[in-house]
Amino acid sequence: AQSVAQPEDQVNVAEGNPLTVKCTYSVSGNPYLFWYVQYPNRGLQFLLKYITGDNLVKGSYGFEAEFNKSQTSFHLKKPSALVSDSALYFCAVRDSQGNTNAGKSTFGDGTTLTVKP
Amino acid sequence: NAGVTQTPKFQVLKTGQSMTLQCAQDMNHNSMYWYRQDPGMGLRLIYYSASEGTTDKGEVPNGYNVSRLNKREFSLRLESAAPSQTSVYFCASNGVRGYRYFGPGTRLLVL
Repeated sequence: AQSVAQPEDQVNVAEGNPLTVKCTYSVSGNPYLFWYVQYPNRGLQFLLKYITGDNLVKGSYGFEAEFNKSQTSFHLKKPSALVSDSALYFCAVRDSQGNTNAGKSTFGDGTTLTVKP
Repeated sequence: NAGVTQTPKFQVLKTGQSMTLQCAQDMNHNSMYWYRQDPGMGLRLIYYSASEGTTDKGEVPNGYNVSRLNKREFSLRLESAAPSQTSVYFCASNGVRGYRYFGPGTRLLVL
């Protein structure tokens, strides 16, 4: 069975400071990893994904994530946080085996990021 | 290109009533999903459809039924609503790039 853990319910940072939102995962095979963002009263939006290749993945809005196979982690990062980055962030994992599109992704419980001016 | 659309946006039901949540996507995606989102519990998969004509149970299918009407539409039905089904429901589809496109959600309150 696959699983995702987001160990922090809430992350608070000051505007302009770097931010990290943590994610660890467990899958039986090679992972496909995703980050999504949810703004209040909206659906989730895709930020970035790791399928294969370079361990540092760049995504939307200046976010990036680093895949670390030995630590089974996929932490979301941004060098300089903005107040507008305040939202709920979800990490998701899917086993690379099986049908790429229909395979079931497992989502973490989410981390609320608050960026203060 | 509207992406994934859901209706209604908000609904109040009494215990025992039935209703159908509608979802449609205009991206020609094969796979579609229904999730519920509850505080502190993240997203839980209710049902999914890998392609037109097929549906499969997710983590929490009890109390729900689905219909993949055609490639565009995937509906979720509550036959006899219960207060435990109060939640926010999201429909999603999955394209060739491998990630989900989510609809705006339906907020359901069961009294």
